[in-house]
Parts: sequence; structure tokens; C-alpha cells
Amino acid sequence: SQQGEEDPQALSIQEGENATMNCSYKTSINNLQWYRQNSGRGLVHLILIRSNEREKHSGRLRVTLDTSKKSSSLLITASRAADTASYFCATAPYNTDKLIFGTGTRLQVFP
Amino acid sequence: GAVVSQHPSWVICKSGTSVKIECRSLDFQATTMFWYRQFPKQSLMLMATSNEGSKATYEQGVEKDKFLINHASLTLSTLTVTSAHPEDSSFYICRLEGSGTGELFFGEGSRLTVL
Repeated sequence: SQQGEEDPQALSIQEGENATMNCSYKTSINNLQWYRQNSGRGLVHLILIRSNEREKHSGRLRVTLDTSKKSSSLLITASRAADTASYFCATAPYNTDKLIFGTGTRLQVFP
Repeated sequence: GAVVSQHPSWVICKSGTSVKIECRSLDFQATTMFWYRQFPKQSLMLMATSNEGSKATYEQGVEKDKFLINHASLTLSTLTVTSAHPEDSSFYICRLEGSGTGELFFGEGSRLTVL
């Protein structure tokens, strides 16, 4: 399967704690993106990191990319109950215009 | 404002009927559109790539005769689920790529329930 793998599959934390999700992929990529999806809703683009970048920040989000290990991580700091959602990584394989999604992490933040 | 309009947002139909889902680009010309399917509690799986004026390219395992894709204009792609069955019940999402910009835009999704 082309699909990337994410872990953990599910994560439950208390408000204020940090949440870390990991993504591994299989092919060379142009970029890697992280998306959020509330239950039964569409996707919200969070952040894009290019293959020549190693780390990127956006507000409470921090994304790292290790192309040698074909892996990425998403860190949400000081989590809030409103962060409860599913998070997906998506890779843009090199030389294609496809976007391949990972298996996703379901995050539950308890108030 | 919204860049992509996907319609209908939800549909319930009887087994054996066909359902058409539209994905419309509101602000720009989209030469390429992508269709994804998402089963409950699972990830998005790419079904097909739709190019304006040419036949769609389907991913392995996706039946082209069952999921008809028409990209007749630069602003509209349609996915028709023919002779729908309960196992086709899913969330279908389109993705557009801006012509020359590389920006990605997703539709809000269409939830299909086949009884």
C-alpha cells in the first residue's frame, strides 16, 4: 500500500499537555503536509514542510521532517479540548501530483 | 470565502440507484481534480485523478465502471457512484490543485449512505 503509517492510532491527554504524533512514509517526497479533521467533517490544512526543510512552526504546532528516516512528527503544545480531532499526514511523492494520506491519529483532549 | 464547492454534502439512497457528486472550483481553473474516499474511522484513500478533457486515472482496486468521473470543464468534476450498494457508503472528498500555483484545496466532502 502507498499509504503512510501514523502512530499512535489514538491518543488521549489532558488539557495543557503536549501531543506528539508520528508519521512514516515510503517514497521520496516533494513535501509533507499535516491535516486536521473533525468528526465527519472536511479537512483543515495545518502546515506544509518541504523536503529540504527539517523543522517548521505555526502557532502551537511544531513539525519536524527527517527524510533519511522517511518520518515526520507533529507536536501540539499546550493542548486544548478544541484540539480534539483526527490528524493526518499526507505526502506528495516526488514527480507526481498525488497526495497520499497516512492512517491518522485520533486525538482526544480532556478538559 | 470557499474556494471549492462540493455538493451534496450528504445523500441517502436506496441500493441500486446511482448518485452524482459534484466538485466545483469557485475561484480558479482546476486542470486536475482528485477524488478520495474515506470509510468511518479510516484515512482518505485516493480513488482517481481527474484531468479536464481526458479520461480519469484510477488507482488500483477502484472500479472505473462503478465510479464514473467526468471532468468536462475547468471548474467542474463529477463523481457518479453507479448502482450503489451499502458497501459504497462512505465519505467522498474532492481535492483541487490550482493551475500553476500548486495550492491545494479540499471540498467539504459528501457523505453517502446507501440503504
